This record gives sequence, C-alpha cells and structure tokens, in this order.
Amino acid sequence: DAGVIQSPRHEVTEMGQEVTLRCKPISGHNSLFWYRQTMMRGLELLIYFNNNVPIDDSGMPEDRFSAKMPNASFSTLKIQPSEPRDSAVYFCASSLSWPGGRNEKLFFGSGTQLSVL
Amino acid sequence: GQNIDQPTEMTATEGAIVQINCTYQTSGFNGLFWYQQHAGEAPTFLSYNVLDGLEEKGRFSSFLSRSKGYSYLLLKELQMKDSASYLCAVVGNTGKLIFGQGTTLQVKP
Repeated sequence: DAGVIQSPRHEVTEMGQEVTLRCKPISGHNSLFWYRQTMMRGLELLIYFNNNVPIDDSGMPEDRFSAKMPNASFSTLKIQPSEPRDSAVYFCASSLSWPGGRNEKLFFGSGTQLSVL
Repeated sequence: GQNIDQPTEMTATEGAIVQINCTYQTSGFNGLFWYQQHAGEAPTFLSYNVLDGLEEKGRFSSFLSRSKGYSYLLLKELQMKDSASYLCAVVGNTGKLIFGQGTTLQVKP
C-alpha cells in the first residue's frame, strides 16, 4: 500500500489567500484525522472522521478552517482566509478502526508544510 | 481536561539504555501510544498499552501504570538512528488521541 498521501508537500501563500490541503487515506481505513504541528503547541488534533462523517471538530481553531470527506478515499482541509499564524505542518492520518484498541494506531502522511506570509 | 507531560529533551550515549517518562491526567483512559518522529518526517507508531505492565518489542519496551497515570518508553542498545522525538499520546473518554509535546532524544557516539 502507498500509505497516506498528502498534497502539496509545501505551500507558500500570502495572507488572505485560500489554502486547500488534500489527503488520501490508506484503502480500507475507516477513520481519518487532521493534525497541526508547531514548535510551540506540538501536535494538535483539528478534526476526525469515522466512515466519512465528522465526529469531533472541536479542535478546529475558528470558522476560517473547514474540512470535508466526500468519500472514503479523499479529504480536504481548507483555510479561508489564511493568516500568518496558520503557518505549521499539517498532517493527515488514517486508522483501520476508531476506537479499536490496537487497531487504533494512526498512520501519518508526510505532511504539508504551510507558510503564510 | 487532558494533560500529558514529558521531558523536553534527553541525551544518551550510543549503546546505552534510556527511559523516557510520560505522565498523564485525562478524563477516562482508553489506551496509551508511543510514536517516534524523526526531524522533518511524520510520526510512526512504536507501541500501544491499555493494560498495566510491560510490552516488549525488540529494543523498545513500553510500560503502563493506570493507577499512577504513568508510562515510560525504554530504549535499549541505543543507536545513532534513534535520535528523534518520542511522543506519548493518550485516548480518553472523548475518543480523541491527544499527544504530549514530545521528548527530543539525542544519541551521542
């Protein structure tokens, strides 16, 4: 399996622009997670889906952030408008089942390094 | 609320043993994970504990005490490639996997 695939790997944009991050989970995994990582705050959970349905979005910073999962093989995280404080590495991860004990282990994509100037 | 504490940095010598501690306070407990993250890369799964005791996997072992809200990751026969951040993560009653800030381990020759 190719693993979790994220695009783009790097994104540089100007403040106020719309940013869309993309994720393809591992085939057969029914849970998908979006995390953000910064030096100051570490890995923060933004939102997660089970069977394409958003379960908990309490970590989404504000209304500028939105996430969708239209089908089992694709998810997007959108920031509109973007701000410099959104600069971070955004990881997508998938899991075979959630919750599911040992099967809960997350497989992470390579991440998107976002820089908002 | 949830709180996960780990030391920020540790240094150890190649070939030695190092123990990385993690303490947590959560609303309920449904499992504890350890992940390894090399600089510039994604986290990768190391271990999972849900019952008290030691789980051994090669050079790495993880221990859990639920009554004490405590876990440690033990790395034996350290190698240079073990230089990385080690992240403790806990699942509470909310069902969310919450990560600690991570411990950056530097292995020196």
